[in-house]
Amino acid sequence: DQQVKQNSPSLSVQEGRISILNCDYTNSMFDYFLWYKKYPAEGPTFLISISSIKDKNEDGRFTVFLNKSAKHLSLHIVPSQPGDSAVYFCAASARYGGSQGNLIFGKGTKLSVKP
Amino acid sequence: DAMVIQNPRYQVTQFGKPVTLSCSQTLNHNVMYWYQQKSSQAPKLLFHYYDKDFNNEADTPDNFQSRRPNTSFCFLDIRSPGLGDAAMYLCATSRDLGRGNTEAFFGQGTRLTVV
Repeated sequence: DQQVKQNSPSLSVQEGRISILNCDYTNSMFDYFLWYKKYPAEGPTFLISISSIKDKNEDGRFTVFLNKSAKHLSLHIVPSQPGDSAVYFCAASARYGGSQGNLIFGKGTKLSVKP
Repeated sequence: DAMVIQNPRYQVTQFGKPVTLSCSQTLNHNVMYWYQQKSSQAPKLLFHYYDKDFNNEADTPDNFQSRRPNTSFCFLDIRSPGLGDAAMYLCATSRDLGRGNTEAFFGQGTRLTVV
């Protein structure tokens, strides 16, 4: 019973085009969502986050969209660069409830950006 | 200037031989987490410390223990490693819990191999 789902294990995109990574969640208590980027043999690095009171957050080439009614969020990277090639993890947390603040991760999507 | 440091990066241990993984932080964060990540899986929270308060996840095996002697250090002890415990172990820290959502900062991980 995964609470955070990333249904695409991999995604391949041409350099300069848009990358869209998707994430779905089931727990309605989640109120904070994050994206992490992970290179091989390294720990995840925080990329961008969004609170449930917003539906969009933008930081440079990265934008996260949140659709609460659909329990869906997405990460847009535009333009994509070869250095963006990594595994991207979606994570969620709930401020209230039994596991306050603990991050629940999806399985990740491996993004490959081809020159 | 790494902020969350895990040692060692790679650890090989014998089946059944106790092993300790260490994590230190320079961020002075009050929360420290240990995650287990197996290949192609989501990082799975084992337990976390909120200051000195230990919080174990319900499905974390008794074989896994943790110690936090001070704010900066946290240890993961595996009392009798089995082959199924081979994984990447990730330590993370965050500034607060419950009063506001913040991101977690991860170390580079320790890759544990059990032979």
